[in-house]
Order: sequence, then C-alpha cells, then structure tokens
Amino acid sequence: GESVGLHLPTLSVQEGDNSIINCAYSNSASDYFIWYKQESGKGPQFIIDIRSNMDKRQGQRVTVLLNKTVKHLSLQIAATQPGDSAVYFCAENEAAGNKLTFGGGTRVLVKP
Amino acid sequence: DTGVSQDPRHKITKRGQNVTFRCDPISEHNRLYWYRQTLGQGPEFLTYFQNEAQLEKSRLLSDRFSAERPKGSFSTLEIQRTEQGDSAMYLCASSRTSDRSEAFFGQGTRLTVV
Repeated sequence: GESVGLHLPTLSVQEGDNSIINCAYSNSASDYFIWYKQESGKGPQFIIDIRSNMDKRQGQRVTVLLNKTVKHLSLQIAATQPGDSAVYFCAENEAAGNKLTFGGGTRVLVKP
Repeated sequence: DTGVSQDPRHKITKRGQNVTFRCDPISEHNRLYWYRQTLGQGPEFLTYFQNEAQLEKSRLLSDRFSAERPKGSFSTLEIQRTEQGDSAMYLCASSRTSDRSEAFFGQGTRLTVV
C-alpha cells in the first residue's frame, strides 16, 4: 500500500548546528503532512504541519518544506538543542478522517 | 491535565489472556484514534471513532481486537487471547471534527505478552 518513509535512520548533529530530516512519500493523493517528535517512553508530539497547497511553512526554530513534484518532505531545525534529541516521524493524511500514515522515523542525536 | 490520557501505562500479560486499555481524549475532541507502534517503527493506524461511531478499521485489527466508544467520550481497546505478536505500544489520539486538525497523542500503553 501507500507508505511514507525516511532516508536516514539516525542523524547526529552538533549542538547549535542546523538539522535537516528528510522524508519521501508515495501517495500522490496525500494533501496534508505532519512532523511529529517522539521522546523515549512518550507519545508523538506535534511539531508542524503543511498542506499540499503550500511548499514551505515556518514555526519556532522549525521549517517544513514540501516538494510535491518529487514527493519529498523535509524538516529543518535551526540551532539544534539537546532537547531536540528524539525520534522524528513524518506522517501524511490523504482525505477526510485524519487517519495518519507514518514513516519509520529518524533518530536525532545532539552532541554537546 | 487536559491532554489525552491512557491507562494503564504498562501491562504485562500471559499469552492467551484478555487485556483492555482505556483512553480518555481531550474533552472537546470528537475524533478518537487507536494506533499500534512497535520498536523503531512509526505508529500504525488501527481504528477511529467520530463520537460513538466507529468509522474505519484497519486490516491490522483482527477479530481478536475490539474497540468501543459507547458514549462518545472515553474509548476502550480490548485484545482477546493475546499473542506474543501483540506486544507493542498502543497509542490513542484525539482531534477535532474538522479535517486536517492536529491530532494529540497520549503517552501510550505498553503491552508485553509473555
């Protein structure tokens, strides 16, 4: 079936540097994309979302980019902090109902 | 705390036993979702409710699994005759009725079947 996946399973980044997490999706009918952060032992936490009619959206220290032509989604974290260490998932939603399809996750490790 | 609440946080059970998990969504949220997550993987959709109506069930939801939301508020997920393959984190999420609205997740119930 349709799936959402990630290129890199683990990303190690120096504190203060920027992080970029990538995600490829295959369902061309998807029109809503979300990034979640999950810390150990906790549920996924919403970071930022973007609709298919946009190609960029910014939040606090985070930017999501959407390239529908190549079905690619990325999350940029500026000035990465130790508290950003977690597993990050991209997820997509095709239509009504908000059922989400998640990718496999990328672990971000922030080095002091 | 006004977030999504799940109980219990951890459950260890013997193979063949039945287990039931509870989820209390955010009070004004009409939609409630159940997901299952295994180690290193993203959550997988199981089922969702709008108010008390169960609107969609995944193929992952075998006949040993049943979910209810009798009054459109809290929900329960029951697994009958548990198998070792049922060991996972079971996550509940809720959202408003409008599409594309943010889904808030609970902390999950970690099930271990021994």
